[in-house]
Amino acid sequence: EPEVTQTPSHQVTQMGQEVILRCVPISNHLYFYWYRQILGQKVEFLVSFYNNEISEKSEIFDDQFSVERPDGSNFTLKIRSTKLEDSAMYFCASSRSPKPYSNQPQHFGDGTRLSIL
Amino acid sequence: AQTVTQSQPEMSVQEAETVTLSCTYDTSESDYYLFWYKQPPSRQMILVIRQEAYKQQNATENRFSVNFQKAAKSFSLKISDSQLGDAAMYFCALRSGTYKYIFGTGTRLKVLA
Repeated sequence: EPEVTQTPSHQVTQMGQEVILRCVPISNHLYFYWYRQILGQKVEFLVSFYNNEISEKSEIFDDQFSVERPDGSNFTLKIRSTKLEDSAMYFCASSRSPKPYSNQPQHFGDGTRLSIL
Repeated sequence: AQTVTQSQPEMSVQEAETVTLSCTYDTSESDYYLFWYKQPPSRQMILVIRQEAYKQQNATENRFSVNFQKAAKSFSLKISDSQLGDAAMYFCALRSGTYKYIFGTGTRLKVLA
């Protein structure tokens, strides 16, 4: 069964540095998402992306965050100037349907554990 | 505001027994979808079961079933004949009039041999 893949599995970065988290969604999916999970807390939505633009974002997704689909297969999350509080597990997800009113589930990757020192 | 509440941080079940994980939610939308995801340690979240709010019949997937009480805004997950491989973190999620999921805080399920 096709899977969402994320790289790297663990990223350690100095505070203030830029980091790019990479995701390869399932190939026939049209909607892409990023979520994060701070240790011991719930999974929180960051952003959704469709048709090469952001369709929805949360209050967490401020100007230091950006997303891009640089080619036909990758979907990236960039954090421009990392802070200690950005340390979390970041999950990429994709879904097939372009419609929010749909039962098509989101398929999640294994996550990237981001540690900011 | 949309919320999802899982009031059981941790549950234990004997192998082959049945366990029910609780989830309550709140939304003002009439059209929404509910999901249970399983997250084994250090692994991705895997869809266990989904329920459309407009469907009265409770969803079932093999050993997994839900008790969907729309009026009470309750969406519990029942796991029958529990297996060691069922041990994981279970997240309840709501999608309601938007693209994003709202997740609960999760319930850690331990399966005892």
